[in-house]
Amino acid sequence: AIQMTQSPSSLSASVGDRVTITCRASQGIRNELAWYRQKPGKAPKLLIYAASNLQSGVPSRFSGSGSGTDFTLTISSLQPEDFATYFCLQDYNYPRTFGQGTKVEI
Amino acid sequence: EVQLVDSGGGLVQPGGSLRLSCAASGFTFSTYWMTWVRQAPGKGLEWVANINQDGSNRHYVDSVQGRFTISRDNGRNSLFLQMSSLRAEDTAVYYCARDHTYSDSGVYYDAFDIWGQGTMVTVS
Repeated sequence: AIQMTQSPSSLSASVGDRVTITCRASQGIRNELAWYRQKPGKAPKLLIYAASNLQSGVPSRFSGSGSGTDFTLTISSLQPEDFATYFCLQDYNYPRTFGQGTKVEI
Repeated sequence: EVQLVDSGGGLVQPGGSLRLSCAASGFTFSTYWMTWVRQAPGKGLEWVANINQDGSNRHYVDSVQGRFTISRDNGRNSLFLQMSSLRAEDTAVYYCARDHTYSDSGVYYDAFDIWGQGTMVTVS
């Protein structure tokens, strides 16, 4: 199975900060990667698909980039609702695999 | 409103069985792949299984292969996960999710765009 490794595992930031989270795949996955945000006690929410495509209704402060093995999720100006955990997911092959998550704390 | 509602979780003894359900509404259920994802307490997300539109194609993570069965009833707009030979490590919140296929420059991508609220399974 493809291993997805996120970094950092956690970070502290303030409202208005620019935040970058990285995800590395153990083998090339083209651009078949999605990003999700999960708030405590809630289901995940899709932010980005195909590495860089913004899901409908998601604010433009979120952006994604990368291809092959290295990917990034950037939040240009952190908002209070963005304090949450972020996960990447590869949909290149089976089994689908998630990164271990990055917790963004105040 | 596009919605998925998970149900069927509960407390079960090791070696026991449980059947989870996911009721879909607000979209044409029969035209989508569907997926189960789980999350152990305090842990990350784990993809469990998915199924294609007519139920003829299914995939599983190795850890549940042979113990779990994903199925669907398009007439009832419902997705199921039959779980047997349950183990303590199966304890998790189980989410169903809609597997949406996106097209970009002729290439197709999958992402889980709609999620249920989750149902808790405790094996103890």
